[in-house]
Amino acid sequence: DAGVTQSPTHLIKTRGQQVTLRCSPKSGHDTVSWYQQALGQGPQFIFQYYEEEERQRGNFPDRFSGHQFPNYSSELNVNALLLGDSALYLCASSYSDGLYEQYFGPGTRLTVT
Amino acid sequence: AQRVTQPEKLLSVFKGAPVELKCNYSYSGSPELFWYVQYSRQRLQLLLRHISRESIKGFTADLNKGETSFHLKKPFAQEEDSAMYYCALPGGTASKLTFGTGTRLQVTL
Repeated sequence: DAGVTQSPTHLIKTRGQQVTLRCSPKSGHDTVSWYQQALGQGPQFIFQYYEEEERQRGNFPDRFSGHQFPNYSSELNVNALLLGDSALYLCASSYSDGLYEQYFGPGTRLTVT
Repeated sequence: AQRVTQPEKLLSVFKGAPVELKCNYSYSGSPELFWYVQYSRQRLQLLLRHISRESIKGFTADLNKGETSFHLKKPFAQEEDSAMYYCALPGGTASKLTFGTGTRLQVTL
């Protein structure tokens, strides 16, 4: 089991563009969470998906949206990119019972120019 | 609103010295708390959680509700402990985590 995988590793986009990031959870996990980690900061919760529905959302604008597929993989979409969206985007998977630990992926580094 | 504060960005200690990484939280209710660690070129991973009361790699953390703290301690630092450490607080469903800004632990000879 490769654990949580994310693609792409790095991405450079221009302001105003749209981006899609992808995540495959650890085998057996059914819940996917997305975090944004700006330089020098801790990860900030964006949203969480379970059973193909957004279960919980952090303090992020509607430009950030997501999707979960029947195989539990997930996508994070960001529209109308701003310079401030430049960050490391982390995906984490877990069992739906939140007492289990979250397994993080290596992240996707997004640079907006 | 729940909040996690890690006051030190960098903690530098000598090998063999005791380590204490500070974490304070703001939460209404009975919190569960976690410490996550990120070693160089590795992904973020769970180090320990308060509910299990276990010692991992020699690290322990005690929840002090009176001081709203969950400091991470180790009696004798090792070089391999050098990493970025994050304190985290679950909220809503337990899977959502609120992280502190992290403390970089640097263990030198």
